[in-house]
Amino acid sequence: DVKVTQSSRYLVKRTGEKVFLECVQDMDHENMFWYRQDPGLGLRLIYFSYDVKMKEKGDIPEGYSVSREKKERFSLILESASTNQTSMYLCASSSLYGDRDTGLYGYTFGSGTRLTVV
Amino acid sequence: QKEVEQDPGPLSVPEGAIVSLNCTYSNSAFQYFMWYRQYSRKGPELLMYTYSSGNKEDGRFTAQVDKSSKYISLFIRDSQPSDSATYLCAMSGGSNYKLTFGKGTLLTVNP
Repeated sequence: DVKVTQSSRYLVKRTGEKVFLECVQDMDHENMFWYRQDPGLGLRLIYFSYDVKMKEKGDIPEGYSVSREKKERFSLILESASTNQTSMYLCASSSLYGDRDTGLYGYTFGSGTRLTVV
Repeated sequence: QKEVEQDPGPLSVPEGAIVSLNCTYSNSAFQYFMWYRQYSRKGPELLMYTYSSGNKEDGRFTAQVDKSSKYISLFIRDSQPSDSATYLCAMSGGSNYKLTFGKGTLLTVNP
């Protein structure tokens, strides 16, 4: 019954490495989002995409880029990982037209990737 | 003023207590109101939602929206240790598919 899958649960990377976080959804959702979650700061939107090859910056895009080559896949890229990017990363998806049953624009989240940069 | 304010807690209650979780917001365009539950080391999952004002009940959970006060609440009756989680409120303006989240309240229900 897994609907949003993040490729790794835990990841440890070295400073300066290029890091790829992958997210795949099987609900045919148009919208996909990348958040990071830190204690005391809540969820902060990094990037989102409402269509293939489309992307928009969220609130904290610096140091990150994204790729959406296929509708079901949304990748987050840390160009040169730094220790301040140690965080929980959450991917989410939603329908552009609202849920078929409820009309709700709710998100379905993945289980998260706990990234540690050393 | 932040768009959505939520007391981060932590909130610790004994098993069986009634729990009240709250959020205030400033954007009067918000129409859809949701509560997400997030267990430790997991992603948030949708718990309840309401459209516009009013109450919605689902088992031990009741979601309440007061648009005149820009205030939403989640009540948990007969709380259980399995309710221990972080609860996030979220809201949107309907046609705007982006959700605005509160920071979350950490709840612990002690047996």
